[in-house]
Amino acid sequence: NAGVTQTPKFRILKIGQSMTLQCTQDMNHNYMYWYRQDPGMGLKLIYYSVGAGITDKGEVPNGYNVSRSTTEDFPLRLELAAPSQTSVYFCASTLGTDTQYFGPGTRLTVL
Amino acid sequence: EDQVTQSPEALRLQEGESSSLNCSYTVSGLRGLFWYRQDPGKGPEFLFTLYSAGEEKEKERLKATLTKKESFLHITAPKPEDSATYLCAVGFKTSYDKVIFGPGTSLSVIP
Repeated sequence: NAGVTQTPKFRILKIGQSMTLQCTQDMNHNYMYWYRQDPGMGLKLIYYSVGAGITDKGEVPNGYNVSRSTTEDFPLRLELAAPSQTSVYFCASTLGTDTQYFGPGTRLTVL
Repeated sequence: EDQVTQSPEALRLQEGESSSLNCSYTVSGLRGLFWYRQDPGKGPEFLFTLYSAGEEKEKERLKATLTKKESFLHITAPKPEDSATYLCAVGFKTSYDKVIFGPGTSLSVIP
């Protein structure tokens, strides 16, 4: 199993551009999450999904959108990128236990 | 307000010098407390889940303990490969999907 994979690893965006961060898991997990991690701030939950077709907002959803059309994929969409969205983004999944499996992260810079 | 704090922010140990990391929490209805290890440039990796005060979990040189207000991660005779950032997080009884992460403790073990 590859576990949780994320693409791209790095990206630089200009203010106002849009992009999609990809997340795929091959463990047949129902629950998937998107977090952002800023230096010294811990991980903040952006959006989560409890299964295909079901998504909900986390603590910091503004400026982001998600979709969950399959169990495996949970893309995160940034519309109109802003410097405040410069961060490291992590996708995670779990079968429904408390053990979350994280991807390697996407480092995004908005200039 | 629900919150999780960790101390110290950074810790530098000599190889073999045992110490403890602290995670203090204020939450309404703790479901579980989680410890993760995060290496530079990688996603967090699950270590332990603790569910009730008095519970202890061990893995190699690490032991996690839980009280009603805090958790400790004890590191016995650490090695350089234990160098990482250690994150704690809490889950809530009333909302399975809500998890709050602390800011982490950066541990450096010097040979």
